[in-house]
Amino acid sequence: IAGITQAPTSQILAAGRRMTLRCTQDMRHNAMYWYRQDLGLGLRLIHYSNTAGTTGKGEVPDGYSVSRANTDDFPLTLASAVPSQTSVYFCASPRSGMNTEAFFGQGTRLTVV
Amino acid sequence: GQNIDQPTEMTATEGAIVQINCTYQTSGFNGLFWYQQHAGEAPTFLSYNVLDGLEEKGRFSSFLSRSKGYSYLLLKELQMKDSASYLCAVRGSQGNLIFGKGTKLSVKP
Repeated sequence: IAGITQAPTSQILAAGRRMTLRCTQDMRHNAMYWYRQDLGLGLRLIHYSNTAGTTGKGEVPDGYSVSRANTDDFPLTLASAVPSQTSVYFCASPRSGMNTEAFFGQGTRLTVV
Repeated sequence: GQNIDQPTEMTATEGAIVQINCTYQTSGFNGLFWYQQHAGEAPTFLSYNVLDGLEEKGRFSSFLSRSKGYSYLLLKELQMKDSASYLCAVRGSQGNLIFGKGTKLSVKP
């Protein structure tokens, strides 16, 4: 089934550890985004990539890094996790064009203890 | 900057009609989206407006007034399964979606 796959689905992580959240799409879309969703704050953009080889910072990029070596994969790395990074993380990707909706992965629930 | 406001919570009765409002302030405008999100799940696309007026899609309709920076989502013949959060979003200059904080709708029998 075409779409966006995120892994892992959930994770409990010790503070200070490094973690990479994976996101893979098989729709050959150019753009991919990482959001975090927190109660009362909604979905906030962490990093984005409008095409393979390019990335940019969103609203809340601190403590996170991304890479976009190819069209399909857009991993999000927490270099040294902190409890404030406890959140649900969503990867999303729209079809090309401004009037197209974004498709979301199923999310990764991360708890940093 | 961008700012999107919508009510935090709403309650409605099964079979009724409910209107969820969204106001936005953006430096540019490339369309307004509504998403539905059930608890513990990913957001799913409901509607898109780029021109003023009403877009109807079954029980759901969405309205846009660009001059007022205003949109609403109208849900008719409410069902229990419509209990969810409804997210208003505008497309930013980088192509990404900028979301409001969401409106949690509870449908009561």
